[in-house]
Amino acid sequence: DIQMTQSPSSVSASVGDRVTITCRASQGISNWLAWYQQKPGKAPKLLIYAASSLQSGVPSRFSGSGSGTDFTLTISSLQPEDFATYYCQQANSLPLTFGGGTKVEIK
Amino acid sequence: EVQLVESGGGLVQPGGSLRLSCAASGFTFSSYEMNWVRQAPGKGLEWVSYISSGGSTIYYADSMKGRFTISRDNAKNSLYLQMNSLRAEDTAVYYCAKGSSMAIDYWGQGTLVTVSS
Repeated sequence: DIQMTQSPSSVSASVGDRVTITCRASQGISNWLAWYQQKPGKAPKLLIYAASSLQSGVPSRFSGSGSGTDFTLTISSLQPEDFATYYCQQANSLPLTFGGGTKVEIK
Repeated sequence: EVQLVESGGGLVQPGGSLRLSCAASGFTFSSYEMNWVRQAPGKGLEWVSYISSGGSTIYYADSMKGRFTISRDNAKNSLYLQMNSLRAEDTAVYYCAKGSSMAIDYWGQGTLVTVSS
């Protein structure tokens, strides 16, 4: 199974800050990576697929990059509605596996 | 608008069984792979099972093999998860999830399964 390691596990930031979350795969997955946002009590929401493709309707302040084993999700200017938990997921092979999550909190 | 609506969750005793259902609408259900993903209280996301669009290819997470059975009825636009021999550690919110090239582009609202005596 492919292990996904996210860091940091939590980050405190202010509105307007640039936030970067990293995800590392235990083996190469090309660009088969997705990012999700989850708010408390809600289902996850797809933000990014194929490592850098923005899902329809997702604000352009979200961006993804990377290939192989190392990936990054960047929020260019944090907005109040962005405080949530973010997960990466490898889409290269089954079993699908998720990172442990990164909680973005208000500083 | 894509909608996935789960049902069938509830309280069950250890060793018991439960069948989850997911009613899909707003897309051509028979053309898409589907998944079940779960989330234990306060924990991260855990993939449970996958079924191909036609139902011929099925995968399970190791801890669910032999206990859980995924199925679908394309004529009824429905996805199912039969869960047997339930354990306390199966307590979670179970999400029905539409696949798109192995990513998940739509999620249901989830149904809570609680395994407790």
